[in-house]
This record gives sequence, structure tokens and C-alpha cells, in this order.
Amino acid sequence: RKEVEQDPGPFNVPEGATVAFNCTYSNSASQSFFWYRQDCRKEPKLLMSVYSSGNEDGRFTAQLNRASQYISLLIRDSKLSDSATYLCVVNPSGGYNKLIFGAGTRLAVHP
Amino acid sequence: DADVTQTPRNRITKTGKRIMLECSQTKGHDRMYWYRQDPGLGLRLIYYSFDVKDINKGEISDGYSVSRQAQAKFSLSLESAIPNQTALYFCATSESGGTDTQYFGPGTRLTVL
Repeated sequence: RKEVEQDPGPFNVPEGATVAFNCTYSNSASQSFFWYRQDCRKEPKLLMSVYSSGNEDGRFTAQLNRASQYISLLIRDSKLSDSATYLCVVNPSGGYNKLIFGAGTRLAVHP
Repeated sequence: DADVTQTPRNRITKTGKRIMLECSQTKGHDRMYWYRQDPGLGLRLIYYSFDVKDINKGEISDGYSVSRQAQAKFSLSLESAIPNQTALYFCATSESGGTDTQYFGPGTRLTVL
């Protein structure tokens, strides 16, 4: 089993749609969680951290369910510019900055 | 100017050649990392360094070596390149004692023929 698993997609949605991605992780002791965004052939960039209480940043909402070991990302009112690959990222050990990356979920937003 | 730079950005080489990929950063971070990315796989950690005198193997270090020449510079070498090392390589940095956020360079696309 992979340490971090994501549905590869692609998710093809129209502008304005709401779309949700899930991610599961295998190490129950994992300490911190993130969503990174990666545009085609570009470097990954931090989108948002994921906190136990859930957190929101504009149109983006991240949730963590430690009991079920999954993380979600909800994007509301999708824009064309949201088209990218979204990487679920987990720090399994805390404090050592060693991150485990999922393979990513590709999102394509169309007019 | 970019905070994390990588050279070269693209490289095509032949099996058996020695290749060096270079990474420089102006963020003042102690920690630096080398990853490779293959289609359908997540980024995989090759080597990481928490300071100039600290080098650690990652998940897939076989066939690679690194050098941390200074706080700001971390280079990755392929001593004898082979075709399955064809991939997109990323350098990243992070602060020690800070958040887990890693900042990535623009990547080097390496093709080994």
C-alpha cells in the first residue's frame, strides 16, 4: 500500500462547479498535512496546510479525518485558473521536514 | 529573482555519462532536498541535507550522490547515468525549526538515452 494515495483523475468540471478531492495516508502517527498545487511541468507550490479543525482559504477548504486517515480538499466556484494537479502531502514523522507526496489528482476546469 | 534556482533546466545525455545538477537558494534555509518525479508517481526523495555537514539518504538514493558545498548550494550527481533515471528533478528548501513548508526550484528535465 502506498503511504499516500490519491485518485489520479482527471476531474473535468465546468467553471463554477464545486469539486472535492480525497487522499488517504497509511501512517496513523503522521503529524502534519498539506495540499500542494502543481501546474503542468512546473514546480509544486504550497496551496494550504491542513489542520485538525479544518481550515478555509477563500474558495478552498481542507479537512482532516485522523480516525479514518484521510484528507480532503474542496474547491468551490471553480475557475479556469484552478486547472492543475493537486498533491496531497504528509509529514509522517513530525519535526524532520520529510514529506511524503501523493501522485496527485489532476483537475481540468472548462468554460 | 527566483529564490531557488536549478541548472540546467533541461539536459539530454547518454547512458554511462556523469551528470551534475545544481541547486542554489537565496532563502537562507538550512535544509535542502533533492526529489525526482516520474509520471503517475509522487515526488520521491533522493537525498536531503539539514545543514552543510549533514547529508542523508532518502527513499531512492542508489545511483545518485550529493554535495552540499555551502548553505546555499546543493548539487546532485549521477555517476553513470542510465535510462531509468530519465525524470524531472526538483530541488527544495525548508527552514529548520519552522513549518514543514518546502519551497521548490523550477525543476530539471533529464533525459538519458
